[in-house]
Amino acid sequence: AQSVTQLGSHVSVSEGALVLLRCNYSSSVPPYLFWYVQYPNQGLQLLLKYTSAATLVKGINGFEAEFKKSETSFHLTKPSAHMSDAAEYFCAVTHQAGTALIFGKGTTLSVSS
Amino acid sequence: ETGVTQSPTHLIKTRGQQVTLRCSSQSGHNTVSWYQQALGQGPQFIFQYYREEENGRGNFPPRFSGLQFPNYSSELNVNALELDDSALYLCASSPNSGTSITDTQYFGPGTRLTVL
Repeated sequence: AQSVTQLGSHVSVSEGALVLLRCNYSSSVPPYLFWYVQYPNQGLQLLLKYTSAATLVKGINGFEAEFKKSETSFHLTKPSAHMSDAAEYFCAVTHQAGTALIFGKGTTLSVSS
Repeated sequence: ETGVTQSPTHLIKTRGQQVTLRCSSQSGHNTVSWYQQALGQGPQFIFQYYREEENGRGNFPPRFSGLQFPNYSSELNVNALELDDSALYLCASSPNSGTSITDTQYFGPGTRLTVL
């Protein structure tokens, strides 16, 4: 069975600081991994995805994530936080592209000025 | 290119009633997945439809059912509503089912269902 654990339900950073949101996965087969962002009262927007090509994945809005098989991790980073990055972030895994996504419980990112 | 749309945006029902939620997939997408997102939780997979056939189901009871139409739009039906069914219901569409690494799911804005 597949699962995702997001460490830290709430992360607070100052504007301009590094953003690091943690995601660890469990999968018996090579996984496909995703990060989605959800703004208040909206649906989910895809930030980036890992599909067994390059282990360092670049996404939208300056975010990137690195797939580390040895650590079963797919942490999301951004060098410099912006106020507009404040949102809920979800990590998700699937064993086959296009099939059911298994989501973590989410991490709320707060950015202060 | 039109994205995924859902209707209605908000809905209030009472326990025991039935509800139908609707989703229009993104142009060129033939696969629709439905998710339930309870308050403060990540989305949970309900089921997926591919070319009008159910193509996978999560751990939800049979009172959750769905349809996909020839134009690939979809409905989610929930019978005998319970208080715990209160949630944001998200629809996601993708180009095809499990045949390409480009099968990313694109989400609509969701329908907020409140059961009283």
